[in-house]
Amino acid sequence: GAGVSQSPRYKVAKRGQDVALRCDPISGHVSLFWYQQALGQGPEFLTYFQNEAQLDKSGLPSDRFFAERPEGSVSTLKIQRTQQEDSAVYLCASSLLDRGNRNQPQHFGDGTRLSIL
Amino acid sequence: ILNVEQSPQSLHVQEGDSTNFTCSFPSSNFYALHWYRWETAKSPEALFVMTLNGDEKKKGRISATLNTKEGYSYLYIKGSQPEDSATYLCARKAAGNKLTFGGGTRVLVKP
Repeated sequence: GAGVSQSPRYKVAKRGQDVALRCDPISGHVSLFWYQQALGQGPEFLTYFQNEAQLDKSGLPSDRFFAERPEGSVSTLKIQRTQQEDSAVYLCASSLLDRGNRNQPQHFGDGTRLSIL
Repeated sequence: ILNVEQSPQSLHVQEGDSTNFTCSFPSSNFYALHWYRWETAKSPEALFVMTLNGDEKKKGRISATLNTKEGYSYLYIKGSQPEDSATYLCARKAAGNKLTFGGGTRVLVKP
């Protein structure tokens, strides 16, 4: 497919378990973003990669959250020792790099809906 | 304005009517303003990316305007159709690439 692919679509875990969420960006997209969307709110920024470099992780809510993109393509968001407040939709987006052109939209995947019991 | 705010949170529109709603954002350190449409069970779809004060963009029956000096953008839907039912998200981009989203306006078009 040509779009951003995320897996799994749905994930249910017990409190305290570790989870891993995967994002396959659009081929050739240098920039990759993770967002967290709680019920009834807009998406909130978690972290940003440019190729394999994690340039901004200011939105990660705690040290239980970890993201990587080792080869500059697929990215994984890992949450350790999950808590109920981690329940949310996790969105991944990719885009071309802004090279002085501000008009690059971000292309989103369908998201992973995470429920912590 | 310290955050990105959208109003109203939700609105019901009769099919065929036109409607509009607002996105307010901090005007300092402004880089771009994005609009997305998010239908249930689908991914957010990019509608517009706007950068210049006074920008107006149009896509079919949907259009948007931008005022960067006072920090607001309007999205207009002309002749609403049931397929326009979705959550419309705006997001401000400052230097650094990340988007700061509003809470969205949920639009329901009634046949």
